Amino acid sequence: GNSVTQMEGPVTLSEEAFLTINCTYTATGYPSLFWYVQYPGEGLQLLLKATKADDKGSNKGFEATYRKETTSFHLEKGSVQVSDSAVYFCALRSQNAGKSTFGDGTTLTVKP
Amino acid sequence: KAGVTQTPRYLIKTRGQQVTLSCSPISGHRSVSWYQQTPGQGLQFLFEYFSETQRNKGNFPGRFSGRQFSNSRSEMNVSTLELGDSALYLCASENSGTGGSDTQYFGPGTRLTVL
Repeated sequence: GNSVTQMEGPVTLSEEAFLTINCTYTATGYPSLFWYVQYPGEGLQLLLKATKADDKGSNKGFEATYRKETTSFHLEKGSVQVSDSAVYFCALRSQNAGKSTFGDGTTLTVKP
Repeated sequence: KAGVTQTPRYLIKTRGQQVTLSCSPISGHRSVSWYQQTPGQGLQFLFEYFSETQRNKGNFPGRFSGRQFSNSRSEMNVSTLELGDSALYLCASENSGTGGSDTQYFGPGTRLTVL
């Protein structure tokens, strides 16, 4: 079946540091890939997505590239802010599949 | 457009009771999915409804059930509550319900605590 493996956290960075959160996946066919962010006490918010190989999703300074050859979708941001502190989830959806499969989440804390 | 709304936001129940959670999707969205989020198991898929029909189901016992109404609003019910049912229950809606590249939009969740 489908699975998503995320870099274990927690991750603690200083403001303006570079962020990478690794995500690899196992799936049949050509899934779509997503990054969601969850702030304390809230639901999931879509951060970015990519629907085919070599696509780059980007939003709010975050980027991730769909790499089929390495089955990866790593999240990056060049300069993090305190307000980026949250839990980040990598997820995939197979074609014509109703459910999303999520990684375990990575907690990011950014210190001023 | 208003986002996905879930009611109530917080619930406290005791073991053996039953509970009903409600989800109103984004206007025009016809698919609603439910997920359970716990610290130990992460995010797990419960079921998906599309046009009042259950289309997909996760690996949860029969105590977990759901339904969808003609206006796309959905409810999920958990009977004979157990301590392990304590979790954040998230509802997600999407437009066409064809899966794949469609984006699921999540509500704020209902926090259920079973004592």
